[in-house]
Amino acid sequence: GQQVMQIPQYQHVQEGEDFTTYCNSSTTLSNIQWYKQRPGGHPVFLIQLVKSGEVKKQKRLTFQFGEAKKNSSLHITATQTTDVGTYFCATDAGGTSYGKLTFGQGTILTVHP
Amino acid sequence: DTGVSQNPRHKITKRGQNVTFRCDPISEHNRLYWYRQTLGQGPEFLTYFQNEAQLEKSRLLSDRFSAERPKGSFSTLEIQRTEQGDSAMYLCASSLVRAGAYEQYFGPGTRLTVT
Repeated sequence: GQQVMQIPQYQHVQEGEDFTTYCNSSTTLSNIQWYKQRPGGHPVFLIQLVKSGEVKKQKRLTFQFGEAKKNSSLHITATQTTDVGTYFCATDAGGTSYGKLTFGQGTILTVHP
Repeated sequence: DTGVSQNPRHKITKRGQNVTFRCDPISEHNRLYWYRQTLGQGPEFLTYFQNEAQLEKSRLLSDRFSAERPKGSFSTLEIQRTEQGDSAMYLCASSLVRAGAYEQYFGPGTRLTVT
């Protein structure tokens, strides 16, 4: 089945610094979704990428899907304390496996004020 | 509150006991998913339903686990003869299957502790 690896596992930044997490696969992915989970909370959907080379922005967040559709990144510009949490990438195999998500291990972001 | 709800939020049980969790999805959503999450890991897929039909069950799910969605609305997840390794957060999510819709909405989870 689909597997995705995320790096780094942990990231500590000072407020105002940028943050990037990467999601990699050895196989071509049909799509990538990104979720955020606050401490003690549940995953919350951020975005889905489907097209090769796709770039989407949400305010300070920039999401990219690689040209080969084997990797993705989430970049946060000028982090704020509200960005604290674990960021997960997830994918499904599409077709009959639509919606059956495989999650990465997540990147835990800590923002120091 | 029109989000996904789960009950109970916490469950402590002794090894060997049976437990049942309930999930109420967003009302118009036809897909319902169950995941398990342990500390430091991402959610792990267990099973999912479209309306009342169970479409797939993870190979990782032993025969002690069973899920139902009898009327295509709420769902229950039962674990029989619980083991300490079953201790985890059990998350339910729902989604609406339609063109361009893919996001899953997660509930707050049920944290199971098996002693």
